[in-house]
Amino acid sequence: AQSVTQLDSQVPVFEEAPVELRCNYSSSVSVYLFWYVQYPNQGLQLLLKYLSGSTLVKGINGFEAEFNKSQTSFHLRKPSVHISDTAEYFCALSTSGTYKYIFGTGTRLKVLA
Amino acid sequence: DGGITQSPKYLFRKEGQNVTLSCEQNLNHDAMYWYRQDPGQGLRLIYYSQIVNDFQKGDIAEGYSVSREKKESFPLTVTSAQKNPTAFYLCASSISPMQPQHFGDGTRLSIL
Repeated sequence: AQSVTQLDSQVPVFEEAPVELRCNYSSSVSVYLFWYVQYPNQGLQLLLKYLSGSTLVKGINGFEAEFNKSQTSFHLRKPSVHISDTAEYFCALSTSGTYKYIFGTGTRLKVLA
Repeated sequence: DGGITQSPKYLFRKEGQNVTLSCEQNLNHDAMYWYRQDPGQGLRLIYYSQIVNDFQKGDIAEGYSVSREKKESFPLTVTSAQKNPTAFYLCASSISPMQPQHFGDGTRLSIL
């Protein structure tokens, strides 16, 4: 069975500082990995995806993530955060063998002025 | 613009009442999903459907029912058997498991 672990439930960071949100996964088969952002009372919006190829993936709003197969990780990074990045972030995976997606429990990013 | 439309945005249920949440997509996606979101618990899968006229239970299907009579539509009924229905409900779709899901804006259900 697959699983996704987001180790940090909350991450406070000052504006213009860098941030890393951690995501580790477990799977015995190849995975497809996704990061989503959710603003209050809204649905999830795709930030970036890893399907295959280059392990460094760039997404919207200046975010990027690196797929590390040996560490089974897919950490999300941004070099300089803005107040508007305050939101909840979800890591998710899927595999080709099933239509079910597995989500982490989310990390709440709070950007402080 | 293609997307997923959930309605209503806010819904109130009385004791013993069934309520139906609407989810419509014009993305031509085969698969559709319903998730429940509670604070601090992430997303939990209620039901999903890979094709028309077929659907599977997710992790927390008890007290819920769905139908998939059309590719575009996947309504969720919260029955009176669901004793704690207060939550934020999200509908999603995908073209294949090798691609990301698209999400609607959610319906917030509360008990009167």
